[in-house]
Amino acid sequence: DAGVTQSPTHLIKTRGQQVTLRCSPISGHKSVSWYQQVLGQGPQFIFQYYEKEERGRGNFPDRFSARQFPNYSSELNVNALLLGDSALYLCASSSTGTGPGGYTFGSGTRLTVV
Amino acid sequence: EDKVVQSPLSLVVHEGDTVTLNCSYEVTNFRSLLWYKQEKKAPTFLFMLTSSGIEKKSGRLSSILDKKELFSILNITATQTGDSAIYLCASPKETSGSRLTFGEGTQLTVNP
Repeated sequence: DAGVTQSPTHLIKTRGQQVTLRCSPISGHKSVSWYQQVLGQGPQFIFQYYEKEERGRGNFPDRFSARQFPNYSSELNVNALLLGDSALYLCASSSTGTGPGGYTFGSGTRLTVV
Repeated sequence: EDKVVQSPLSLVVHEGDTVTLNCSYEVTNFRSLLWYKQEKKAPTFLFMLTSSGIEKKSGRLSSILDKKELFSILNITATQTGDSAIYLCASPKETSGSRLTFGEGTQLTVNP
């Protein structure tokens, strides 16, 4: 059974560009959450989607947006990239959107902004 | 604002040592505290603690929660080089458990 898959695994972008990160949850999981982990820090919550609706948003600027598709996969978009957006972006899926112990994290996308 | 604080931020030990990692929290409507191990990228779930004073154990790892003093510890006995990782603790922010507030993590390095 495939786990949470994220693509791409690594990405280098230039300041001001836009980026799209993708996440496929575990089959049957309807909830996807996105986290940003800057080097040396713990993950910070960005968004949660459940059944294609936004359930929560963290303290991130409007340059960050996301959506969830009918097959429950998700995309995270970041516009007008800044150097400070360089981080590991993690996606987590769960079946119900509750019960944190049931969340499974993907291996992340390492974004470097130069 | 919910807050989770871990200490130490980094720790270097020799194989066979026992380590204790600390996590304190200030969380409104506290429900649970979670521990994760992050070796390369994906955090993997270790424990979920909801009741004070009840130890959770898995092999050489154990964890306990003190809801009165608002902290948790993660113990690793007889450490091995494979235990080298970042250990994260987190607490769900909302009753739905949809949003995790993480601590900064403890970087554990176990030398042979």
